[in-house]
Amino acid sequence: EIQLQESGPGLVKPSQSLSLTCSVTGYTITSGYDWSWIRKFPGNKMEWMGYISYSGSTNYNPSLKSRISITRDTSKNQFFLQLNSVTTEDTATYYCASCDYYSGEYFDYWGQGVMVTVSS
Amino acid sequence: DIQMTQSPASLSASLGETVSIECLASEGISNSLAWYQQKPGKSPQLLIYGASSLQDGVPSRFSGSGSGTQYSLKISGMQPEDEGVYYCQQGYKYLTFGSGTKLEIK
Repeated sequence: EIQLQESGPGLVKPSQSLSLTCSVTGYTITSGYDWSWIRKFPGNKMEWMGYISYSGSTNYNPSLKSRISITRDTSKNQFFLQLNSVTTEDTATYYCASCDYYSGEYFDYWGQGVMVTVSS
Repeated sequence: DIQMTQSPASLSASLGETVSIECLASEGISNSLAWYQQKPGKSPQLLIYGASSLQDGVPSRFSGSGSGTQYSLKISGMQPEDEGVYYCQQGYKYLTFGSGTKLEIK
């Protein structure tokens, strides 16, 4: 079974960069799926941030396009999120997930999430 | 962006009651609609994809329907373990989520 696990700092200072890692087991990230980052803000709002495909191409939420980068290390079967110039409004729980396609894209496997607070 | 308007924001249901949650898309999404359940402290779990396809392992009391811009999730016979927050998500163009529905036992 596919399992995903996020890791990274839980506290980031405003104007700095947020960096998270998603480690995938049970599946090779170059075999299929789009590998996504999603966040949930306090108050329940969910936002898809972007993904890196199994082939290495990326697709980002237009609202984040100037600040976000998703990359991968295929040797470690990991993919990464970098979000630049963070503000307190980036405080959220960040999830990585696999994105599949059948009559539209959807997220079938999720990590447990990591809470990130942006504060000085 | 395609906006997803989800209703109601919250509801409570008795054991065994049939529950419906609605999602309205701001434009047609060609059945590219998924539903998730999230329990406190857990990650979201996929229930339905492609508007009406049941994810493996999900109880058959969950069903999805709809077309065009209007979609719904039905729980036929509320169970205690169905408490949680439910989200719709469109997968047609730049993926977006509904605002969530908190479901509780009455």
